[in-house]
Amino acid sequence: DGGITQSPKYLFRKEGQNVTLSCEQNLNHDAMYWYRQDPGQGLRLIYYSQIVNDFQKGDIAEGYSVSREKKESFPLTVTSAQKNPTAFYLCASSMVGGITGELFFGEGSRLTVL
Amino acid sequence: GENVEQHPSTLSVQEGDSAVIKCTYSDSASNYFPWYKQELGKRPQLIIDIRSNVGEKKDQRIAVTLNKTAKHFSLHITETQPEDSAVYFCAATAAGNMLTFGGGTRLMVKP
Repeated sequence: DGGITQSPKYLFRKEGQNVTLSCEQNLNHDAMYWYRQDPGQGLRLIYYSQIVNDFQKGDIAEGYSVSREKKESFPLTVTSAQKNPTAFYLCASSMVGGITGELFFGEGSRLTVL
Repeated sequence: GENVEQHPSTLSVQEGDSAVIKCTYSDSASNYFPWYKQELGKRPQLIIDIRSNVGEKKDQRIAVTLNKTAKHFSLHITETQPEDSAVYFCAATAAGNMLTFGGGTRLMVKP
């Protein structure tokens, strides 16, 4: 069953802790993305990667880090430097980068900072 | 960079009525305009998209119109049904750039 899988679905963290959100895809897509979703603000791009071992900052990259060691995987680390990390995080992939084609999303990870 | 404004933020219609969601964009170079639907607790999914070389595209009960001069595009849903209830996002991009999303519209279809 092809698709994009995020884990965990729900995550709680204490202030000052780093957390890593997993994103795996078996669609053989080259490009992968991380978005943050807040009420009334749509989807804002955190980081994206168009090819293995390469990634670029999006509009709100501060306090986040990523890696792209494998084509299938694009984990996101929310660091303690992120001032307001409580949000819903969506991972997505597309066949190629420079989007003019469909984005396929995961089901999201909801992070709550206690 | 691109800025996309979406209105209204919430929309309530009676089943069977039409719904219209409007978006404006700032970058005249934008040439691709997708719409995504996110049902409660589910992932966003592409429902329709339009490129700048056409003014209108239709797929059954949904249609999108594009006015490049005014830099706005709209989603039209006719004969709304309860299963159309969701959050809808518009987006815009120019070739080689990343998508910029609007703030979303929560559509509620009352039976």
